[in-house]
Amino acid sequence: EAGVTQFPSHSVIEKGQTVTLRCDPISGHDNLYWYRRVMGKEIKFLLHFVKESKQDESGMPNNRFLAERTGGTYSTLKVQPAELEDSGVYFCASSHPVSRDRETQYFGPGTRLLVL
Amino acid sequence: DQQVKQNSPSLSVQEGRISILNCDYTNSMFDYFLWYKKYPAEGPTFLISISSIKDKNEDGRFTVFLNKSAKHLSLHIVPSQPGDSAVYFCAASPSGAGSYQLTFGKGTKLSVIP
Repeated sequence: EAGVTQFPSHSVIEKGQTVTLRCDPISGHDNLYWYRRVMGKEIKFLLHFVKESKQDESGMPNNRFLAERTGGTYSTLKVQPAELEDSGVYFCASSHPVSRDRETQYFGPGTRLLVL
Repeated sequence: DQQVKQNSPSLSVQEGRISILNCDYTNSMFDYFLWYKKYPAEGPTFLISISSIKDKNEDGRFTVFLNKSAKHLSLHIVPSQPGDSAVYFCAASPSGAGSYQLTFGKGTKLSVIP
């Protein structure tokens, strides 16, 4: 079974440009999460989709970030315009809870974003 | 304010000995805890989890202990192997319906010396 995949693996852009990150969850996983790790800090939650609906977007830093999950399959995270502080590693995770106790989030390899 | 704390940034252990990684949390709403292992340039890989209704969960060489009164959990790896060298993250999830967002600690880098 294929794991969570993310594209691109790396992205280097200039301040003010736009970048779109993509995440393909594990097939059949309704829950999709975005997280971010800024250098030297802990991995932080951004938002959570259940199928195509945003369940929780309390971690989104500001309105320069837009996440979508049309059709409830893959998701995109767009940063427009990018700022220097957006640099970091963006992780996607997915899960398919059988029950509350058995929900485990499986992570993708991440997209390393560098804003110059 | 960090709600999940891993106070040891690094830990070195001899191969074959026990590795003990610690994690403390402050939010009483957390009721599900996970440990992830991460190699450089890869995403976190799930290792083991524990629900707040238990105080111990075992999976092969890995055991997680939960002390709810102390808001403390630990991961024991025995025997430690060189391939266990990685960064280990403790994560916690809140109770209640809705989002199960994970709150992570900063990680502990484990080095297992052959």
